[in-house]
Amino acid sequence: DIVMTQGALPNPVPSGESASITCQSSKSLLHSNGKTYLNWYLQRPGQSPQLLIYWMSTRASGVSDRFSGSGSGTDFTLKISSVEAEDVGVYYCQQFLEYPLTFGSGTKLEIK
Amino acid sequence: EVQLVETGGGLVQPGRSLKLSCVASGFTFNNYWMSWTRQAPGKGLEWVASITNSGGSTYYPDSVKGRFTISRDNAQNTLYLQMNSLRSEDTATYYCTRDGVWGQGVMVTVSS
Repeated sequence: DIVMTQGALPNPVPSGESASITCQSSKSLLHSNGKTYLNWYLQRPGQSPQLLIYWMSTRASGVSDRFSGSGSGTDFTLKISSVEAEDVGVYYCQQFLEYPLTFGSGTKLEIK
Repeated sequence: EVQLVETGGGLVQPGRSLKLSCVASGFTFNNYWMSWTRQAPGKGLEWVASITNSGGSTYYPDSVKGRFTISRDNAQNTLYLQMNSLRSEDTATYYCTRDGVWGQGVMVTVSS
């Protein structure tokens, strides 16, 4: 199984500052088709997860351009520029290259 | 508007069965693979099952293989999860998902 390992944030993050969340996979998620099979989700308190980024760097429909995804085949970063109160929650990375689909353990963002 | 609405959750004794349903709307259901993902109380996300758009192939993690069965009725735009031999560790909120779209979730509690 592909293991997804997420880093922690130095909470709380001051409002207006940027925050970067890291995620590492135990196997390259770069497919021969050139696409990287990684999603990023945000789960706000009491809500279902919301897709933010797919194919490692493509923003989902309606997602603020303050969110950006980048990385290589095994090391990934979700950057939130100028964090706002509505960004509070737990962020998850997920690989969908192969079954079983696996998620990182989550990274909590708190705002000051 | 794309919507996924889960029903069928509740309290069930260990060893018993439960069947979840997910009614989809706002998109052409038979064009999409569908999945179930769960979240134990206070924990992270765990993929549970996936099914191809035709229903011809299904996928499960080892934790539920042989106990859970995912199925679909494309005429009724409905996804199912039959859960047998339930264990206390199956206690979770179960989400119906499609390509980054999540339902509101339904709670399943396995307890005597």
